[in-house]
Amino acid sequence: TQLLEQSPQFLSIQEGENLTVYCNSSSVFSSLQWYRQEPGEGPVLLVTVVTGGEVKKLKRLTFQFGDARKDSSLHITAAQPGDTGLYLCAGARGNKLVFGAGTILRVKS
Amino acid sequence: DAMVIQNPRYQVTQFGKPVTLSCSQTLNHNVMYWYQQKSSQAPKLLFHYYDKDFNNEADTPDNFQSRRPNTSFCFLDIRSPGLGDAAMYLCATSSGRQETQYFGPGTRLLVL
Repeated sequence: TQLLEQSPQFLSIQEGENLTVYCNSSSVFSSLQWYRQEPGEGPVLLVTVVTGGEVKKLKRLTFQFGDARKDSSLHITAAQPGDTGLYLCAGARGNKLVFGAGTILRVKS
Repeated sequence: DAMVIQNPRYQVTQFGKPVTLSCSQTLNHNVMYWYQQKSSQAPKLLFHYYDKDFNNEADTPDNFQSRRPNTSFCFLDIRSPGLGDAAMYLCATSSGRQETQYFGPGTRLLVL
């Protein structure tokens, strides 16, 4: 059972397009992290959201935590080829992280 | 810079030959985790240490063991690697169990 549903699984877009990745759950998380991972490397933390309704911006990336702390979204504006990678959301529950299945993003120039 | 370091970055071993992967951290974090990640999938938690307290996941095979001799270092021992154990192994640390986890660059293990 996937406790954190992440969608879409794959996304291939042209440079300059916008996109949104979603993570949804029926469970409440104390916090939620978004990571980006390139092939052969470890996940790199992009952001941690803690408060329901919180919105954080990181250059062209906008992260939102749902009011009930059960879901989150990542929106990328004007995607660049350097945004290509595996995006992982992970919610903190109990003493561990629950990971989404990941979104493989490919941005073509 | 404070960081999580994993050595080696690439490890080749033979079927059944014991192998040890290492992780060190300069963050002085209490918690250290080991994950297994297969191609473009989410990381799968194997076990974690909260200080010296070892916590094994229920579905982690007995073939996988871990040691944490001090705050800074943690080791993953695979006693008899099988072909199915070929994967990326990720170490992560956090200041507390529900705090943000910071990952190392990973060790890619190949089993011949």
